[in-house]
Amino acid sequence: TQLLEQSPQFLSIQEGENLTVYCNSSSVFSSLQWYRQEPGEGPVLLVTVVTGGEVKKLKRLTFQFGDARKDSSLHITAAQPGDTGLYLCAATTSGTYKYIFGTGTRLKVLA
Amino acid sequence: DAGVIQSPRHEVTEMGQEVTLRCKPISGHNSLFWYRQTMMRGLELLIYFNNNVPIDDSGMPEDRFSAKMPNASFSTLKIQPSEPRDSAVYFCASRGTGSLETQYFGPGTRLLVL
Repeated sequence: TQLLEQSPQFLSIQEGENLTVYCNSSSVFSSLQWYRQEPGEGPVLLVTVVTGGEVKKLKRLTFQFGDARKDSSLHITAAQPGDTGLYLCAATTSGTYKYIFGTGTRLKVLA
Repeated sequence: DAGVIQSPRHEVTEMGQEVTLRCKPISGHNSLFWYRQTMMRGLELLIYFNNNVPIDDSGMPEDRFSAKMPNASFSTLKIQPSEPRDSAVYFCASRGTGSLETQYFGPGTRLLVL
């Protein structure tokens, strides 16, 4: 069974701080996605990465896919209360439609 | 576009009762997914439809769960009989053609089985 472990599970920080969330597996994936989920809503896709070593930026969010395509990180610069939510990574292997979701990181940014 | 529509948003029922969850995918999307989310197990894929045909139901917990997609604009997930351990948030998601197309999630149905 493929597992995606995310760390940390919970994170509470002050507005303006930086943070990094990790997504790790022993499996090699063809693509990896990051989602943010707010209370009472479904996950919303933030980014998809497909190439080992790929780095994508979305305003204050920086996403990186590991060189071996087994892990990924999400870095948030100068966190804001609006960044609060559950962050999920999801990955798939080549030629499949099925995304396996990670265990999630629950972030709270205090004003 | 209205996005993926799910109903009901909340459902409270008693153990042993039948529960039917409904989903309307985004128009033009040919893939539909049903997920279940709990604190203990996270987000799990239950079943995947492509062009209204069930492709993979290996995530369906047991025979008490069934899903149908009679046409491109409607799907149901039925639990009969329901049990307290089925309490969770159930999400429907749809996606267009192409393996890297964005998957859009509905708002979910929060189910509580007493």
